[in-house]
Amino acid sequence: GQQLNQSPQSMFIQEGEDVSMNCTSSSIFNTWLWYKQDPGEGPVLLIALYKAGELTSNGRLTAQFGITRKDSFLNISASIPSDVGIYFCAGQLRGATGGGNKLTFGTGTQLKVEL
Amino acid sequence: DAGITQSPRHKVTETGTPVTLRCHQTENHRYMYWYRQDPGHGLRLIHYSYGVKDTDKGEVSDGYSVSRSKTEDFLLTLESATSSQTSVYFCAISELGAGYEQYFGPGTRLTVT
Repeated sequence: GQQLNQSPQSMFIQEGEDVSMNCTSSSIFNTWLWYKQDPGEGPVLLIALYKAGELTSNGRLTAQFGITRKDSFLNISASIPSDVGIYFCAGQLRGATGGGNKLTFGTGTQLKVEL
Repeated sequence: DAGITQSPRHKVTETGTPVTLRCHQTENHRYMYWYRQDPGHGLRLIHYSYGVKDTDKGEVSDGYSVSRSKTEDFLLTLESATSSQTSVYFCAISELGAGYEQYFGPGTRLTVT
């Protein structure tokens, strides 16, 4: 099955630094979603993007829907220790026949924060 | 947090035994999904449901079956568990008109020995 390419695969940054990660696909999507997963838990939705070029913020997080509709970016400003985890992007084609509105997931970016 | 629970949270079973995992939601969402998560593969869709008794296959459905007799419950069954089905299983839900965002349960860690 198709997967989205996320980069970087992992990051080790200092507390207070800004973080950037991106997700690219060979397919066009109508929706981009960003999730965070902590160890032993399920992914938690952070930000949802619905329009090409859209820029959306959620606290220290900002995400953008690429204008080509084949990529998306997530930025975290002034990182703190609780930002540690794995960040996944997911693309979705809305309105697909047969229902389901299935997601295609990225491979994940593991973020580690050094105090 | 979305009202999604999964049971059991952990299970160890032997090869060849049947296993059923349960996903329960209190959100009355129409769509429910089962994923497995494995290192190097990310999240992969096993089966999904778009209504009571309406289900369809995902990308890794071989060896799995599902049932949905009520809106709130979606069951995943491994008829005869194999070691390759050792994984973490997540249930997710979504609804029409809400951007179709999917919300995930806490997961079930299954080990097949």
